[in-house]
Amino acid sequence: DTAVSQTPKYLVTQMGNDKSIKCEQNLGHDTMYWYKQDSKKFLKIMFSYNNKELIINETVPNRFSPKSPDKAHLNLHINSLELGDSAVYFCASSLAGGRRWETQYFGPGTRLLVL
Amino acid sequence: AQTVTQSQPEMSVQEAETVTLSCTYDTSESDYYLFWYKQPPSRQMILVIRQEAYKQQNATENRFSVNFQKAAKSFSLKISDSQLGDAAMYFCAYRSYTSGYALNFGKGTSLLVTP
Repeated sequence: DTAVSQTPKYLVTQMGNDKSIKCEQNLGHDTMYWYKQDSKKFLKIMFSYNNKELIINETVPNRFSPKSPDKAHLNLHINSLELGDSAVYFCASSLAGGRRWETQYFGPGTRLLVL
Repeated sequence: AQTVTQSQPEMSVQEAETVTLSCTYDTSESDYYLFWYKQPPSRQMILVIRQEAYKQQNATENRFSVNFQKAAKSFSLKISDSQLGDAAMYFCAYRSYTSGYALNFGKGTSLLVTP
């Protein structure tokens, strides 16, 4: 029983293409996140949704657009892919953000390579 | 924004020995939470241990313990009886209301365990 799943795990694509990464959690959590891990392993928050409402939107290019059809899913769509978008993208989820001690559970990550 | 600093890019320890990974953070808040995550070569992010800032008692989880010095804004991780399976990247992370409950990560420490 996978708690937080992401598809695909690997994504190789050409510059200029549009791609999506899907994330689903079966933990009953109501807050979901997207993090980006760059080539130096640095992890940084991109977006956060609580009950399908956007609550964090860090300085990320407009080409990145999160979509939450329901509170168990948070997808990431990327337009006009650039070389610098190559990274590992992690989805995570937790219970309501008001309980700050809540553990965030991470998906397995999606390695995106833009050629 | 809060910053998290891990000053040791790499550490090495022999099996069965003890190693301490350091982490400092910068914040003006009094209520926050600190975490250590482990990322093995499989890329999966695994929670190792967490600490609530209002608790003076240091958290422990089996062979893992922290030394939390709130005044010094220091949160080090001690791994006792190191095992080969402990080899991984270790990330220190900070979470609070003003971070929107997202995790602010340090740059990580790569731990090598030698037989």
